[in-house]
Amino acid sequence: AQTVTQSQPEMSVQEAETVTLSCTYDTSESDYYLFWYKQPPSRQMILVIRQEAYKQQNATENRFSVNFQKAAKSFSLKISDSQLGDAAMYFCAYLSGNTPLVFGKGTRLSVIA
Amino acid sequence: DSGVTQTPKHLITATGQRVTLRCSPRSGDLSVYWYQQSLDQGLQFLIHYYNGEERAKGNILERFSAQQFPDLHSELNLSSLELGDSALYFCASSVATHLSGNTIYFGEGSWLTVV
Repeated sequence: AQTVTQSQPEMSVQEAETVTLSCTYDTSESDYYLFWYKQPPSRQMILVIRQEAYKQQNATENRFSVNFQKAAKSFSLKISDSQLGDAAMYFCAYLSGNTPLVFGKGTRLSVIA
Repeated sequence: DSGVTQTPKHLITATGQRVTLRCSPRSGDLSVYWYQQSLDQGLQFLIHYYNGEERAKGNILERFSAQQFPDLHSELNLSSLELGDSALYFCASSVATHLSGNTIYFGEGSWLTVV
């Protein structure tokens, strides 16, 4: 079964600095999709960014970008110019034709003013 | 606002009772997914419906059941409730199935507290 591992239960970053959240996954499939979701204190799950495994180019959404290393099965999220509103739980997730979203345990990000 | 609507937002009920959680997917979305988020289990996939048909089952207890109606809204029924069923229940939707790799959008969740 596919598994997603987030090895950093908690991270902190100074406001305006850059932080990278790690995610690794295990799969034998070649075609799949990876996501980062943000869950603020309101508990709503908000899509941050999406990456198709067949695309070599790393996805970018404004201050959020990913480093997708398919061979290493690694999918890290970089947040640039961190803002107070970025404080949240961040979940890495895997999706394929055989598997509805499988989530990691999450990383709690704190932003220090 | 993701466009996925869940009701009720909060629910408190007693052990042994039955509740129904309701979900309206985004306009045009045919797939509905249900997830459970508890403090120690993270986000767990429960069940997936596509255009009224069950397509995939995850870690859903036999006491739980779901259905998707012709108008595409879905209901998750939880019966013989136990304290351990207390959790945040998410509904999510997407245009097609996960076979297509479509992005899955989440509602705000229904908080269930069993006392």
